[in-house]
Amino acid sequence: AQSVTQLGSHVSVSEGALVLLRCNYSSSVPPYLFWYVQYPNQGLQLLLKYTSAATLVKGINGFEAEFKKSETSFHLTKPSAHMSDAAEYFCAVSLHGGANNLFFGTGTRLTVIP
Amino acid sequence: NAGVTQTPKFRVLKTGQSMTLLCAQDMNHEYMYWYRQDPGMGLRLIHYSVGEGTTAKGEVPDGYNVSRLKKQNFLLGLESAAPSQTSVYFCASSELLWGGTEAFFGQGTRLTVV
Repeated sequence: AQSVTQLGSHVSVSEGALVLLRCNYSSSVPPYLFWYVQYPNQGLQLLLKYTSAATLVKGINGFEAEFKKSETSFHLTKPSAHMSDAAEYFCAVSLHGGANNLFFGTGTRLTVIP
Repeated sequence: NAGVTQTPKFRVLKTGQSMTLLCAQDMNHEYMYWYRQDPGMGLRLIHYSVGEGTTAKGEVPDGYNVSRLKKQNFLLGLESAAPSQTSVYFCASSELLWGGTEAFFGQGTRLTVV
């Protein structure tokens, strides 16, 4: 069975500080991994995804994530937080890479302090 | 650039009432999905469709029915609403069903059952 665990339901950072959102996955085989972002009153939007090509994945809005098989992790980072990054972030895992096989974490709400 | 559109955006139902949520996509995607989002639980798949006239059960299908009579539309029905169905419902669509394909989400429908 696949699952993801997101450590920390709420994370606060100062504007300009490093953003680090943690995600650990459980899967019997190398999975597909995703980060989605949900801005207030909006649907989810894909930030980036890991599809076994490169372990360091770059996404939109300056975010990136590194797939570490030995640690079963796929943490999301951004060097410098911006006020517009305030949102809820979801990590998700899929064995086959399809949205009918997508299992989401419980989400991390990011607050950016001016 | 409408993408995925859900109607209605908000609804309050009394226990036992029925309703239908409509999802429309203009990207000519073959695959469509209904998820529910509950606090502290992430998104969970209710039903999905791999093409016009076909539907399949997801992780939490009980109490819901779906229909895909036209490729661009995916309807979610609640025959007899229960308070446990209070949730935010998201529709999504994708071009493929594998390979890390991106899912495009609507803005959600907030349903309260009293």
